[in-house]
Parts: sequence; C-alpha cells; structure tokens
Amino acid sequence: ETGVTQTPRHLVMGMTNKKSLKCEQHLGHNAMYWYKQSAKKPLELMFVYSLEERVENNSVPSRFSPECPNSSHLFLHLHTLQPEDSALYLCASSLTLTGGYNEQFFGPGTRLTVL
Amino acid sequence: DAKTTQPPSMDCAEGRAANLPCNHSTISGNEYVYWYRQIHSQGPQYIIHGLKNNETNEMASLIITEDRKSSTLILPHATLRDTAVYYCIVRGSTSNTGKLIFGQGTTLQVKP
Repeated sequence: ETGVTQTPRHLVMGMTNKKSLKCEQHLGHNAMYWYKQSAKKPLELMFVYSLEERVENNSVPSRFSPECPNSSHLFLHLHTLQPEDSALYLCASSLTLTGGYNEQFFGPGTRLTVL
Repeated sequence: DAKTTQPPSMDCAEGRAANLPCNHSTISGNEYVYWYRQIHSQGPQYIIHGLKNNETNEMASLIITEDRKSSTLILPHATLRDTAVYYCIVRGSTSNTGKLIFGQGTTLQVKP
C-alpha cells in the first residue's frame, strides 16, 4: 500500500463510451500526476498538477481530459478513445514538485482496454 | 535531464546480492539519481535516491562513484519477490514539473 488508490483497476470500453478514472492519495501531498504505460514501452508522463493547478500537459490528445478538484483527488475523463489508447494508466503523487527529496508514490494503475 | 544507460536484463540467484549498474555520464551537479522498480503490471515503487554520498535504507543500498557518472543499486539478499524491472532515473531538484523520465530499465530475474 503506497497511500495512492486508483479505481477502477480494470476497464473495458468501446470507442464511443465516456468513462472516468479516479485517483485518490492519502498522503497529504500537493502534486499529482497521470502516466500512461503502453505494452513494452516506458512510462510516459501525461499531466502534472500542483495545488490543483495543471502545470504540464505533455502533448496529450484532447480525448483525455484531466480534472483535479482538490489536492487529494485526480480524475482522467475519457471519451471517444482509440484502440491504441489501451494501456496501464498510473497515478502518482509527491509532496511537492521540486526539491531533491521528492519521491513519487504510485497507485496500482487502471488497466484500460478500448474495443 | 541527463540520460541513463542500464543493461536490459540481469539474473541473480536467490539469497545472493543483486548489483544493478547505471551509467549517467552527463549528469550535472544538481541532479539526483533515483531508483524505482516495477513488479509486473503494478505501479512503480520508489526504492532509493542520492546526490553524492552512498545511501542505504531498508530496501537497498545506492553506491555513487566519486565522479557521479555511474551508480550501482545493491539488493543485499535478493528474493523471488525482487523480480521486477528496475529503473535508474536522473532528476534535477529544480525541475518545475518534478519530471521522472523512465527508460527501459533493467529486468532483474531472481532465480531459485
């Protein structure tokens, strides 16, 4: 248990569906992240939030829409996805964005399959 | 952020020390060396990090060379549960996005 939870753990959706991934951290951290991990590829950073403000959007298509209502919760809203969006989506949090002692704690991920 | 080079795979006998090397020859003075691991289909797990000095915690030891161009992660008594992909990442303390750039890592297979 890392203190970062993600729901659902598995999701199968059609290309016309709308779904949301949820991340919650119980660590009192101020920064939260979304990563994507496709099969046999390194993790790719998608979005970064600090104090509920988006500070990075790493050239992610608009069919992925993040939301951070407070520093403990992070959502990733999905709509009109493509089969190539099937991947493991990971959420992480850290105390702050900067500093040398600022490790990120990851959730277990949501395994997404787009049919 | 500096790039890192790791061997793609390594084997280790259960109970023996696992020594995972990482080259980061272009590291700059304010960049830290971080190690994470990812057990199959789980989220990455932070292991340890350091700047100049060697570091040790309950999971592992990190040995950084004097010139800081390479480092070694040591798991002192590897178990089957240590089988995972290990990532060596160099990250600056002033990065305004706290970005971790994950490479392909080293797949460590611990064998009975």
